[in-house]
Amino acid sequence: GAGVSQTPSNKVTEKGKYVELRCDPISGHTALYWYRQSLGQGPEFLIYFQGTGAADDSGLPNDRFFAVRPEGSVSTLKIQRTERGDSAVYLCASRVSGSVYNEQFFGPGTRLTVL
Amino acid sequence: QKEVEQNSGPLSVPEGAIASLNCTYSDRVSQSFFWYRQYSGKSPELIMSIYSNGDKEDGRFTAQLNKASQYVSLLIRDSQPSDSATYLCAVNGGGGSQGNLIFGKGTKLSVKP
Repeated sequence: GAGVSQTPSNKVTEKGKYVELRCDPISGHTALYWYRQSLGQGPEFLIYFQGTGAADDSGLPNDRFFAVRPEGSVSTLKIQRTERGDSAVYLCASRVSGSVYNEQFFGPGTRLTVL
Repeated sequence: QKEVEQNSGPLSVPEGAIASLNCTYSDRVSQSFFWYRQYSGKSPELIMSIYSNGDKEDGRFTAQLNKASQYVSLLIRDSQPSDSATYLCAVNGGGGSQGNLIFGKGTKLSVKP
């Protein structure tokens, strides 16, 4: 079956611009996670959705970052007034509904470069 | 702050040898533990999960968990050059079984032909 998909695969923007990153989870997965990964680091948690609502947004670094999941499937991560320090690979993961475990499956990521 | 620690490596082993990757975690109440493989330029791929003390085997991979020592390991038997990648240890960081994962920085494994 289809895995997690993310678009775009690469995004280059200028400092101060607004960007949107999209994630389409595995069909039927109600839990969706956003992480970001910098070079030489493990993925760092940003936000977690259960259905349409953000169950935990404690990883968002500041109020320039925002994410939505209006219909409980596709999610969009929005970054305002981008800064060079936002450059990273943004990863989306989803988890099967009702799982007692927490096996998360990652998409290919979006590489964001802020010039 | 919850932490997951891994030796960054690189760990170099000859083809056919056993590769041993180690991970420690700080949160004593963690219940779920995962190993992800990440090839250069690619996203993490889940290869093993373990929830109970002891060993769990899947093909050439064995995960070992010792909750008392807060220690997780991954053994790769008969290592192949295709196993060369960064291996990320992850621990369930949220409440119950649903929260975010906390990742270590990864151990880079190189398998020499």
